[in-house]
Amino acid sequence: GAGVSQSPSNKVTEKGKDVELRCDPISGHTALYWYRQSLGQGLEFLIYFQGNSAPDKSGLPSDRFSAERTGGSVSTLTIQRTQQEDSAVYLCASSFSRNEQYFGPGTRLTVT
Amino acid sequence: AQSVTQLDSQVPVFEEAPVELRCNYSSSVSVYLFWYVQYPNQGLQLLLKYLSGSTLVKGINGFEAEFNKSQTSFHLRKPSVHISDTAEYFCAVSGRTGNMLTFGGGTRLMVKP
Repeated sequence: GAGVSQSPSNKVTEKGKDVELRCDPISGHTALYWYRQSLGQGLEFLIYFQGNSAPDKSGLPSDRFSAERTGGSVSTLTIQRTQQEDSAVYLCASSFSRNEQYFGPGTRLTVT
Repeated sequence: AQSVTQLDSQVPVFEEAPVELRCNYSSSVSVYLFWYVQYPNQGLQLLLKYLSGSTLVKGINGFEAEFNKSQTSFHLRKPSVHISDTAEYFCAVSGRTGNMLTFGGGTRLMVKP
């Protein structure tokens, strides 16, 4: 079946602009996660959605970062007023149970 | 809170040789343990996982790992590597209440002919 998909695959933006990154999870998966992968920080958790519960935002690095999940499916990660340190690969994962996450191919964000 | 340490950032090895990628973790609660592989410009693919039961777990592509609770380790092994195993390998843990994965820094496995 179809895996987790993310769009765009690459995004180049100017410092100070807002960006939106999209994640389509595997159908039927109730949990959705966002992670960031950067050279300096490795793989970091950002935010977690489980069903209709309030999201776990404990990994968001600043209030410029936000995410929503509409209809329990598609999620959008928004970064406002982008900074150069936001350059990274943003990975989305989904899961049906709490013990196995399936990852998408990622969105490579470059802030110039 | 959990933390994961992958002791080797790079492991060069010749084709058909055995390999061990080391992973140690720290946690105040019981955890689930995972190994993921990342090929260039791709997302993460699950190799294997330890949830409970037998401490020796087998995964895809001939990999296996052994959970050692007393040493808080979960080392990944393969008896004979192929060129196609060249990739970045990540060890990860999550608490048994689920939620996020905490990853190690990754180990780049470089298989040479």
